[in-house]
Amino acid sequence: DTEVTQTPKHLVMGMTNKKSLKCEQHMGHRAMYWYKQKAKKPPELMFVYSYEKLSINESVPSRFSPECPNSSLLNLHLHALQPEDSALYLCASSQGAGWPQHFGDGTRLSIL
Amino acid sequence: AQKVTQAQTEISVVEKEDVTLDCVYETRDTTYYLFWYKQPPSGELVFLIRRNSFDEQNEISGRYSWNFQKSTSSFNFTITASQVVDSAVYFCALSEAPTSGTYKYIFGTGTRLKVLA
Repeated sequence: DTEVTQTPKHLVMGMTNKKSLKCEQHMGHRAMYWYKQKAKKPPELMFVYSYEKLSINESVPSRFSPECPNSSLLNLHLHALQPEDSALYLCASSQGAGWPQHFGDGTRLSIL
Repeated sequence: AQKVTQAQTEISVVEKEDVTLDCVYETRDTTYYLFWYKQPPSGELVFLIRRNSFDEQNEISGRYSWNFQKSTSSFNFTITASQVVDSAVYFCALSEAPTSGTYKYIFGTGTRLKVLA
């Protein structure tokens, strides 16, 4: 069992839909991350929250909107996605910079 | 600039063989951290080990061992007596010192290990 929980595990949506990915951790970690991973590629950093504040946005298109309601939760709001956005979306948390990241199982997203 | 190179794209071994996964890194920092993660077909990345730049001691954990050599900027991972369950993609990653305030982890491109029964 992973200590970082992501829901849903699978998501299929049309290009006009709005959906959200959720991530939760109860390890007291102060940093939380969203990664996008395409098949046979390494994870690609999207966003980092540190102490509930957005610390890094890797020039991600505005159709992806992150939110950190509290220190345990991280959301990724999706709107008007494109077929090329189909990927595995991974959430991770860490005690801080330089500490091991703990990853969730990911959400497999398919855009029709 | 920081960079992690995993030159081996895919390795196939027969069960019980030993296998070494290579990782070479580049950084200008004197303080940094190196990691190995395992990603089985199910998708989640599993943390295996963290090593800081001041600790060059090799580490062994069961069938896994890690060789960190600053002189060659390498952090290699050896699996002894491989098993089918070791089949996965393995990523090496690099992180700057916490004092830098950055939370970026640089991942290598990964090595896909196939262990055949």
